[in-house]
Amino acid sequence: AAGVIQSPRHLIKEKRETATLKCYPIPRHDTVYWYQQGPGQDPQFLISFYEKMQSDKGSIPDRFSAQQFSDYHSELNMSSLELGDSALYFCASSLVAGSNEQFFGPGTRLTVL
Amino acid sequence: SQELEQSPQSLIVQEGKNLTINCTSSKTLYGLYWYKQKYGEGLIFLMMLQKGGEEKSHEKITAKLDEKKQQSSLHITASQPSHAGIYLCGADIGIQGAQKLVFGQGTRLTINP
Repeated sequence: AAGVIQSPRHLIKEKRETATLKCYPIPRHDTVYWYQQGPGQDPQFLISFYEKMQSDKGSIPDRFSAQQFSDYHSELNMSSLELGDSALYFCASSLVAGSNEQFFGPGTRLTVL
Repeated sequence: SQELEQSPQSLIVQEGKNLTINCTSSKTLYGLYWYKQKYGEGLIFLMMLQKGGEEKSHEKITAKLDEKKQQSSLHITASQPSHAGIYLCGADIGIQGAQKLVFGQGTRLTINP
């Protein structure tokens, strides 16, 4: 069965650079969530989108922005990267009208040098 | 403070033994998710529980949500090396609809041969 796809899987950036992470939800899923997991930490919710509109916002820095496109894929844009942004970034998708189970992608490991 | 408390934080068991991991919330749980994570990898969806008293099983893993819907337990029977990893409980503590998840701090499970 198709799963959530994230790209790239690994990304290395310098401080103050920008990064774009992509997420392709499970087909027909209408909701996308972004989470950040720092080393040894539990995942922290950043932002979510339902039907291409932002549905909830968590501890997402102002330097980050995200959107969901007409094909339901989502992108997380990160600017002025800081060392503390180094983390695993997960995307999850769900179908609101269904069981609402959140299925996670494999994550993008971002390293900021 | 952690909205979801998992216990124990670390568990080492002999292969073939049974074990239980607990997840406790101070708020009513509208959806409780169990995920497994290998170090630095994605979250693998195990089960979701929504109704008080609900119990679900998959292979040798059983999860329950207590009647008051504030605690869940994950029980593994006859543990195997493949069960090793980090188990995370995630909770939807919203009212309805697409909601972000908050996570426990995880339980690191080691299976000794």
